[in-house]
Amino acid sequence: NAGVTQTPKFQVLKTGQSMTLQCAQDMNHNSMYWYRQDPGMGLRLIYYSASEGTTDKGEVPNGYNVSRLNKREFSLRLESAAPSQTSVYFCATSRRGGYEQFFGPGTRLTVL
Amino acid sequence: KQEVTQIPAALSVPEGENLVLNCSFTDSAIYNLQWFRQDPGKGLTSLLLIQSSQREQTSGRLNASLDKSSGRSTLYIAASQPGDSATYLCAARNTGNQFYFGTGTSLTVIP
Repeated sequence: NAGVTQTPKFQVLKTGQSMTLQCAQDMNHNSMYWYRQDPGMGLRLIYYSASEGTTDKGEVPNGYNVSRLNKREFSLRLESAAPSQTSVYFCATSRRGGYEQFFGPGTRLTVL
Repeated sequence: KQEVTQIPAALSVPEGENLVLNCSFTDSAIYNLQWFRQDPGKGLTSLLLIQSSQREQTSGRLNASLDKSSGRSTLYIAASQPGDSATYLCAARNTGNQFYFGTGTSLTVIP
């Protein structure tokens, strides 16, 4: 079992470009999350999906959109990237909302 | 909003020492608290999850405690090893599905 996978592992964008970060899980979990991790800030929740077909904003949703494509996949889209979105992005899953979370390896994004 | 603090930010100990990592939270109405380990350039690995009804949770050399009334959780690592060197993060969950993370304690175990 792969657990939680994220693609790509690294990405460099120019200001204004768009991209989609992909997350997939084979743990049969209902809930999925997107976080960003910045030095000195800890992890902050961007969006989460408590179950297939639902999404909710987290602490820092501005500039991002999400799609819960099916139970396995949850994508994060940056429509017009800004340097402030330079960060490490993590996807996580849990059996249900608020249960033990399991993380993917992360995507390191640089916006120039 | 829940605020989670981990002090110290960095800690160095000699191999074999027992140590305690601290996690403080401002809102005592938590449902659960999770401890993670993060190696450089990697994702987070779940270590322990403590429910609000529990006071302790153990896994191997790790023991996590939770005191809601004082707003504290501790992670005890027995007989530390160089392989324990990593950043340790705690995350507290209140109502809803959001976990709030501390900024972590970077642990170095010196051989």
